[in-house]
Amino acid sequence: DAGITQSPRHKVTETGTPVTLRCHQTENHRYMYWYRQDPGHGLRLIHYSYGVKDTDKGEVSDGYSVSRSKTEDFLLTLESATSSQTSVYFCASGNDLTYNEQFFGPGTRLTVL
Amino acid sequence: AQTVTQSQPEMSVQEAETVTLSCTYDTSENNYYLFWYKQPPSRQMILVIRQEAYKQQNATENRFSVNFQKAAKSFSLKISDSQLGDTAMYFCAFMNRNNNDMRFGAGTRLTVKP
Repeated sequence: DAGITQSPRHKVTETGTPVTLRCHQTENHRYMYWYRQDPGHGLRLIHYSYGVKDTDKGEVSDGYSVSRSKTEDFLLTLESATSSQTSVYFCASGNDLTYNEQFFGPGTRLTVL
Repeated sequence: AQTVTQSQPEMSVQEAETVTLSCTYDTSENNYYLFWYKQPPSRQMILVIRQEAYKQQNATENRFSVNFQKAAKSFSLKISDSQLGDTAMYFCAFMNRNNNDMRFGAGTRLTVKP
């Protein structure tokens, strides 16, 4: 299995507070992704990165920002959390050598009260 | 933008039988990959099978095979000799190779019955 971890694994926070989720991979993968998973929607892409400091928006990027200062780390920030951002967040990584297979982290369950 | 549709929210199959999960997608791109991912109760996402759009031959991985109909934009997954461990959510996914944007369907919950 690709070494990809997420922290924290669970978080409860209050509306209006900033939240940062961390994704760390040890495979030297070029691409990294953040998704959210909600019932009835499958996984929806929030942001992705195709290299250090190179990021782009996905399908549901409003209210989220990302940063990638090192190959191995991809941070997702909710600048002012809202209850609609309660979800399970998955990070993934991959590269062209893996034929674009994405290796997923274990997920982070975020609850915004 | 690409969309992926899985029209079967839930399916069930008897152990050892065959089941087919449906997936259709909409795109104007020619350079893309298609995937089926499995998500068991552990929540871990696991790749089942992938298909490169430029390949006409359908991908197979042991008991799993796909029926890729490019003109119809259809990508179904067939599971043969179903096993209890196949019980999971199955997601169809589309990747645009030009920008690595990935889209998932809403999923099909498959239950294998003993």
